Amino acid sequence: AQSVTQPDIHITVSEGASLELRCNYSYGATPYLFWYVQSPGQGLQLLLKYFSGDTLVQGIKGFEAEFKRSQSSFNLRKPSVHWSDAAEYFCAVGRSNDYKLSFGAGTTVTVRA
Amino acid sequence: SQTIHQWPATLVQPVGSPLSLECTVEGTSNPNLYWYRQAAGRGLQLLFYSVGIGQISSEVPQNLSASRPQDRQFILSSKKLLLSDSGFYLCAWGGVMGDADTQYFGPGTRLTVL
Repeated sequence: AQSVTQPDIHITVSEGASLELRCNYSYGATPYLFWYVQSPGQGLQLLLKYFSGDTLVQGIKGFEAEFKRSQSSFNLRKPSVHWSDAAEYFCAVGRSNDYKLSFGAGTTVTVRA
Repeated sequence: SQTIHQWPATLVQPVGSPLSLECTVEGTSNPNLYWYRQAAGRGLQLLFYSVGIGQISSEVPQNLSASRPQDRQFILSSKKLLLSDSGFYLCAWGGVMGDADTQYFGPGTRLTVL
């Protein structure tokens, strides 16, 4: 079965600084990879996804992620963080025709002024 | 465009009382539907999923059940709530042609069992 590890439970970053959230997955074939964001008390919003093709994926809100097969990673990045980016971020992995996702435990991002 | 609704948004129930949470999806047909739970300080746990009317798969044995009486309606129920049923319940839909593996989430229901 596939699994996802988000090594960082909590990250604090200054507003305007860059952000990188790590995600490692375990799956035998090429996975489907996702990043979601959750603001307090809200549902999850899809930031971006990777199915195939270009390994650098652009998403909403200025986020991007890079799929690295050799490292089994799908790290999320943003060049300049805004206070509104404070939230919890979840990486997820799925596989073709399974229709289920495995989620990481999440990384909470705090943005300081 | 597709939208997903959940209600109620917040619910406080006594231990031993019944539960019914509802999720509906608009703007798509025959979606896959999912129920997740987030307990405090923990990640997402898939509880049930459905690929069609009357078809329910349970991921974790528990005090809850799910039903899908209509194509775009998914209900989470319990006959008697436990304290451990407290949490944030999220409904999601997916399975759109050409984007079958992506899931889209509703706003969630905060359940507190006292």
